Amino acid sequence: GENVEQHPSTLSVQEGDSAVIKCTYSDSASNYFPWYKQELGKGPQLIIDIRSNVGEKKDQRIAVTLNKTAKHFSLHITETQPEDSAVYFCAAGRDTGRRALTFGSGTRLQVQP
Amino acid sequence: NAGVTQTPKFQVLKTGQSMTLQCAQDMNHEYMSWYRQDPGMGLRLIHYSVGAGITDQGEVPNGYNVSRSTTEDFPLRLLSAAPSQTSVYFCASSYSDRVSYEQYFGPGTRLTVT
Repeated sequence: GENVEQHPSTLSVQEGDSAVIKCTYSDSASNYFPWYKQELGKGPQLIIDIRSNVGEKKDQRIAVTLNKTAKHFSLHITETQPEDSAVYFCAAGRDTGRRALTFGSGTRLQVQP
Repeated sequence: NAGVTQTPKFQVLKTGQSMTLQCAQDMNHEYMSWYRQDPGMGLRLIHYSVGAGITDQGEVPNGYNVSRSTTEDFPLRLLSAAPSQTSVYFCASSYSDRVSYEQYFGPGTRLTVT
C-alpha cells in the first residue's frame, strides 16, 4: 500500500518568514495530493490540493509543488502570520482501485510574532 | 449547515467497556469515514461507507464496528475497549468516495481507555 513520509515534525519560524513542509510517497499510481490544516481542538481542513498532471499550484500565500519522478511534494507558506500556527498534514491517494487517502504524520508549525 | 458533528467530545472508558461514538452530517454526503489520530502517526482510516447500508474496512478496523442505516449518521462502536484504542477519533464526510473530493472533518472525540 501507500506510504507517506512527512518532514519536519516541528517547524518554528518568525512572522513574515517562509515555511516549507515536505512529503514523499511510495505508490507511483497516486494521483491526488491534498494538504490539511488542523487548528487546536478542531478537525483537519483542506487548504490546498494538487493533481498529478500539475506541477505547481498557488493560492495567495500558499503553494504546493509536485515532483512525480522523485515522488515528493511540498507545501510552501510565504509571509507567515501567527494564525498560520497549526498542524499540517499531507496526504496521497488515487481514484482507481482502493480509493483512500494515506496521511503523513503531521508537522506542527509555530509562527513566532 | 452544522456540517459534521461528533459526540461526545471527551470520553473515559475502562478496559472491556463498550461505547458508541456518534457522527452525523447534514450535507447529504454519500461517503463517510472514521479515522483515528495518534501522536506521530497522522490519521489512519478505520472504516468507511459509500452509502446507506454499505460499509467496508479501512486500514485499522480491528476492535471497531460500524453501520450506516441513514445517509446522515455513521456511528462507530467499540465492542470491548482496550488501552490501545486511546486516541482522538475523527469522522469525515464527502460527496464521493473519489479521493479528489474534499473531505469534511468533524471536531473529534478524545477517548481515553484506562
